[in-house]
Formats: sequence, structure tokens, C-alpha cells
Amino acid sequence: VQLQESGPGLVKPSETLSLTCSVSGGSISNYYWSWIRQPPGKGLEWIGGVSYSGIINYNPSLESRVTMSVDTSKNQISLKLTSVTPADTAVYYCARHRLVTSWSHFEYWGQGTLVTASS
Amino acid sequence: DIQMTQSPSSLSASVGDTVTITCRASQDISDYLAWFQQKPGKAPESLIYAASSLQSGVPSKFSGSRSGTDFTLTISSLQPEDFATYYCQQYNSYPLTFGGGTKVEIK
Repeated sequence: VQLQESGPGLVKPSETLSLTCSVSGGSISNYYWSWIRQPPGKGLEWIGGVSYSGIINYNPSLESRVTMSVDTSKNQISLKLTSVTPADTAVYYCARHRLVTSWSHFEYWGQGTLVTASS
Repeated sequence: DIQMTQSPSSLSASVGDTVTITCRASQDISDYLAWFQQKPGKAPESLIYAASSLQSGVPSKFSGSRSGTDFTLTISSLQPEDFATYYCQQYNSYPLTFGGGTKVEIK
């Protein structure tokens, strides 16, 4: 299975960051999917996750600004983060969990995409 | 939130050495603990899940163990390709959280 993140690499402060994770080599059904980010030179932060059936969980630290969804017909998972600030500058990864629930580890990762929040 | 405290934050080792990295959870997470390896400019890769289960395709030089809320990643016979940053991560409760990372450098 391969995961590929895509979307604008530059977002202006106060605007919305929108990313898509395209899955190939396998179906998004029967798995749980997460978004994780990593600011330059820093550690990893879980943003939230979604199951193929639409069950969603967000990190409370970002919950008021995050929306995730899944499109089974396109085999894609999407992420929207509103009202971005420079603190949202990071490499954004999508990842597939080992099982259909979030109580399983991140088994596969996309290569990541750098999003810079700057005017 | 469950805090994952990794130690050390960095270490220097020689080729052929065996190194141990520790991760302590702030509360009981059972065996819901994974280890990842990340090389510069690359995505993390899964090494260990369920505290001690080896991810398919990962060499057996990597091993994990648990004692209560303390978890250990051991890497035996270090090779040049093993020099990287290692992260632990709990998936027992929301939000899912990571340790701060351990950078393994060449001595």
C-alpha cells in the first residue's frame, strides 16, 4: 500500500490548510487513518484520525480547527485546518493504522508534505 | 493526555554496539506502545508494535519489551543505517501521543 499527501505548500495566516491523502495498492476500507504533523526540527504530533466508515477522533488541542473526512469512491482521506498561524508550519503525514480502530499502531506512512504558513 | 517520556534524548554509539532506549508512560497503557525509526528527510517507519511485536520486514536486531509503564527498545549490533531518530508512541487512549525522540549518532 502507498500513501501520497498532496496540497498547497504555502498557506497564508488566517486561511485554511487543505490536504488530501491518496491511497494506492489497497482499499481504504477496513482500516483507520490518521494525520500526523512534525514542525521542522521537532517531534511528532497526532492531529486526528478517521475510519473508513466515518468515525472521527481529533486531538483536543486542534479540535476546534480540524475537519477530516474519507472518500471511499476516490480512496482518499482529507484534512482541513482553519485559521492557520506560523505555528502550523510542519510536514504533514497521513498514516494507515494496522487495524480498523485507532487502538492500533501506524503501520504505513506517506512521505509527508511540507506546509508553510506565511504571508 | 498521556505523557511519553523518552530517554536519553540523544546518544552516541559505535558500529557494532548494542543500545537501549527507554520510554515511560505517565499512566498504564497496557501493551499499546509502538516504536518508530525516522531518518532525516524521511517519514517514520514502524519497527515494533504491541510493545514487543516486530513489524513485518524489520530485522530481528530490533526488539522491544515492557515492564509496567516502562518500555524499552533495544538495537543490537548497530550498523550505519541504524543511525537515526527513534520515537515511541502510545495508542491506548486519546489523544495518541509520542515521546520526544532519541537521536542515535555515530561516535
